[in-house]
Amino acid sequence: AQSVTQPDIHITVSEGASLELRCNYSYGATPYLFWYVQSPGQGLQLLLKYFSGDTLVQGIKGFEAEFKRSQSSFNLRKPSVHWSDAAEYFCAVGGAEYGNKLVFGAGTILRVKS
Amino acid sequence: DTEVTQTPKHLVMGMTNKKSLKCEQHMGHRAMYWYKQKAKKPPELMFVYSYEKLSINESVPSRFSPECPNSSLLNLHLHALQPEDSALYLCASSQRPTSASGYTFGSGTRLTVV
Repeated sequence: AQSVTQPDIHITVSEGASLELRCNYSYGATPYLFWYVQSPGQGLQLLLKYFSGDTLVQGIKGFEAEFKRSQSSFNLRKPSVHWSDAAEYFCAVGGAEYGNKLVFGAGTILRVKS
Repeated sequence: DTEVTQTPKHLVMGMTNKKSLKCEQHMGHRAMYWYKQKAKKPPELMFVYSYEKLSINESVPSRFSPECPNSSLLNLHLHALQPEDSALYLCASSQRPTSASGYTFGSGTRLTVV
C-alpha cells in the first residue's frame, strides 16, 4: 500500500540545538518529495521540495532535506532550532506512482524548549 | 500575488443550513484542490479540479458539492452537514494538475457543525 511514514509523533528540542525529522516513503522510482509546516489553526507552508538532481535540497527558514534513494528517506534537518520553529511538520510524497496526488505522512509535532 | 485566499476563516452552521466556502488564487495555477483536516491528523484530499473540470472525487458524500466557476475560483457548497464534518477545510492550488509542482495552500476555513 502507498504510504508515507513519519515515525516520530512528537519531538522536543532545545532552542539552538540541531533538528532532524524523519520521513520514509513506501515506493516509487522517482517520487516527488515535499516538507510542509503548519502552525496551529493555519494552512500549510511549503518548506522545500525534491524532484531530481542534487539530493540535498535547501528550503526556507534555514531548513534542508536529503533524499536517500537506498533508504527511501527524505529527512528534514536544521542546524539550529529557533523557538518560532515550533509547529507541526508534514512530509508528503507525490508523482505518477501516487496517482498524481499528494500523500501526507501523519505529521511530527515539534516542541522547542528554551 | 503568491497566495491562496480562503473565506470565511471561521464558520459555524447548523445541520439544516446551506453555506459555501470560497477559495481564490491569482497565480495562474490550473489545478485546485479541497482538503479536509481533522484535529491532529494530516490533510485528506476531497476533490481535484484540473483546468476547471472535476478530475478527482475521493468518494466524498454528496452533502459536499464543489464548484469551479473559473480558473481563479473554487467553491465548496455545504448542505445538511453532520457534526463529524467539523474540521479545517483547506484549499490548495498548483501550476499543473500533477503534484510535481508542489501545492500552495490557503490558511483554511475552520468549520463547526452544530
